[in-house]
Amino acid sequence: GENVEQHPSTLSVQEGDSAVIKCTYSDSASNYFPWYKQELGKRPQLIIDIRSNVGEKKDQRIAVTLNKTAKHFSLHITETQPEDSAVYFCAAIDYGQNFVFGPGTRLSVLP
Amino acid sequence: GAVVSQHPSRVICKSGTSVKIECRSLDFQATTMFWYRQFPKKSLMLMATSNEGSKATYEQGVEKDKFLINHASLTLSTLTVTSAHPEDSSFYICSARSHNTGKDYEQYFGPGTRLTVT
Repeated sequence: GENVEQHPSTLSVQEGDSAVIKCTYSDSASNYFPWYKQELGKRPQLIIDIRSNVGEKKDQRIAVTLNKTAKHFSLHITETQPEDSAVYFCAAIDYGQNFVFGPGTRLSVLP
Repeated sequence: GAVVSQHPSRVICKSGTSVKIECRSLDFQATTMFWYRQFPKKSLMLMATSNEGSKATYEQGVEKDKFLINHASLTLSTLTVTSAHPEDSSFYICSARSHNTGKDYEQYFGPGTRLTVT
């Protein structure tokens, strides 16, 4: 079945710097890759997603890149702000169209 | 649009009792609903998937007799934790997906239910 790995597990950056989180997946048939942001005790919120027919997608300060050959995708946050501090989860679709989540990255943006 | 509610948000129960958690899609019809369990500082683990009017599909290792899932309508799914024990204490989150929103894969998450079994 699908296996999703995510690195780093924790990431601290200075406000204004960029943050990059990387995920790898195992199932070459996966074709949808969302990123979720979860604040403590809250629901996961979709922040960006990408389908396998594109290599990059951008939404203001957030971008996602996908390399299908290497089976990895990355989240890029530019000009980080303290409110970006949260846990970020990547996910990939498995054969049953269910999400398989990565273990998460705890991002801390230091003022 | 695409709002999912979950009730209750917090529940404390005694060991041996049963607890029911409701998940509702408020402004769309959820063809599929998912139940996840999340331990502190851990990722979301899929417990089961349910389609309206049919039996839930449970992930390996999830006891179907302990975690009863009902998806009676296109807007409501319930998870009942039967004979709860302290090890069942966790954060339970539902999500819903609709093939009618034009976003076939996207899942909309509820706010979660924190269950504490004493």
